[in-house]
Amino acid sequence: KQEVTQIPAALSVPEGENLVLNCSFTDSAIYNLQWFRQDPGKGLTSLLLIQSSQREQTSGRLNASLDKSSGRSTLYIAASQPGDSATYLCAVNGNQFYFGTGTSLTVIP
Amino acid sequence: DAGVIQSPRHEVTEMGQEVTLRCKPISGHDYLFWYRQTMMRGLELLIYFNNNVPIDDSGMPEDRFSAKMPNASFSTLKIQPSEPRDSAVYFCASSPFGSGGSYNEQFFGPGTRLTVL
Repeated sequence: KQEVTQIPAALSVPEGENLVLNCSFTDSAIYNLQWFRQDPGKGLTSLLLIQSSQREQTSGRLNASLDKSSGRSTLYIAASQPGDSATYLCAVNGNQFYFGTGTSLTVIP
Repeated sequence: DAGVIQSPRHEVTEMGQEVTLRCKPISGHDYLFWYRQTMMRGLELLIYFNNNVPIDDSGMPEDRFSAKMPNASFSTLKIQPSEPRDSAVYFCASSPFGSGGSYNEQFFGPGTRLTVL
């Protein structure tokens, strides 16, 4: 069974810092990987989707990379803002969608 | 498109009662997923459909849970009888078919917060 791990579980940074969130998975036979953000009491908002044939995807201040062979993905957030505070989840699409437990990010003004 | 629509947004019921959660996926999406989220277990896939047909229900916790998709625009998740341990947020998500042979980007609804007393 695919296992998805996100480290760290929680992260607190001052506004303006660049930061990296990590996602690792045990089975490299995947179709794609998706990053989401979840605000407290809300649903999941899709941020980026990386197909298995791609190495990275960018959207605004966000950049996600994928290294299938090592079972890793990173989400890079540039110039963090208080509005980025949320829980970030990665999900790996193999024969099912497996979610990590998330990283809770707090950006301090 | 209005996105994935779920109802009700909040449901409070007593143990033993039947609960029905509803979902309208994004038009044109081939896949529909039901998830449950709790603090202890995180986000768990319960069941998913492809073109209205259940493909994998291995995540359904027990026979008290059932899901149907009578047409492409509507799905229900039913719990009968409900128990306090079923209290969670239930999400519905939909996805178009992907060129890689599987489903593609998932879009989530706002969720239904279920409390069973």
